[in-house]
Amino acid sequence: AQSVTQLGSHVSVSEGALVLLRCNYSSSVPPYLFWYVQYPNQGLQLLLKYTTGATLVKGINGFEAEFKKSETSFHLTKPSAHMSDAAEYFCAVSPQGNTDKLIFGTGTRLQVFP
Amino acid sequence: DAGVIQSPRHEVTEMGQEVTLRCKPISGHDYLFWYRQTMMRGLELLIYFNNNVPIDDSGMPEDRFSAKMPNASFSTLKIQPSEPRDSAVYFCASSLAGPITDTQYFGPGTRLTVL
Repeated sequence: AQSVTQLGSHVSVSEGALVLLRCNYSSSVPPYLFWYVQYPNQGLQLLLKYTTGATLVKGINGFEAEFKKSETSFHLTKPSAHMSDAAEYFCAVSPQGNTDKLIFGTGTRLQVFP
Repeated sequence: DAGVIQSPRHEVTEMGQEVTLRCKPISGHDYLFWYRQTMMRGLELLIYFNNNVPIDDSGMPEDRFSAKMPNASFSTLKIQPSEPRDSAVYFCASSLAGPITDTQYFGPGTRLTVL
């Protein structure tokens, strides 16, 4: 079964520093991959997604992710963290055989310090 | 549009009681999803509907859980009887199509506490 693994349940960065949130997937075929963000006491919002085409995907709020088949990874990055980026981030995969669904990783909480 | 609307936002009940969570999807959206979020298990898909028809309920934990979508603008998730381990945040989400081609929009969630 397809799944995603998020390495690091908590990540802390200083304001202005690079943000790197890691996600690895398990799939024998090219997957469909997503990053969602959850701000405190809110539902999830889509940041970006990879389906086909360009492997570097740009999303909202300056985030981007690169699909690397050789590394089975889809890490999320942002060059310069802002205080407002503090949230929980979820990587997700849409399983082959039922692309109506999303299977989420366990999430990474990002803290941004001034 | 007001987005996905869920009610109540918070629910505290005692073990054994029936709990009903409500969701109004975004108008025109054909898909509706119910998720549960806990610290231990993360975010789990419970059930989803397409055009008011339940498509996949394999994530529903047990017979105590049931979900209905009587029309395109309303869905309920019922737990009867409730147990303390059902305490979680329950999210409803809707979309025009599946996640490959369209965005899932999440409601603010219902925080359920079962004492």
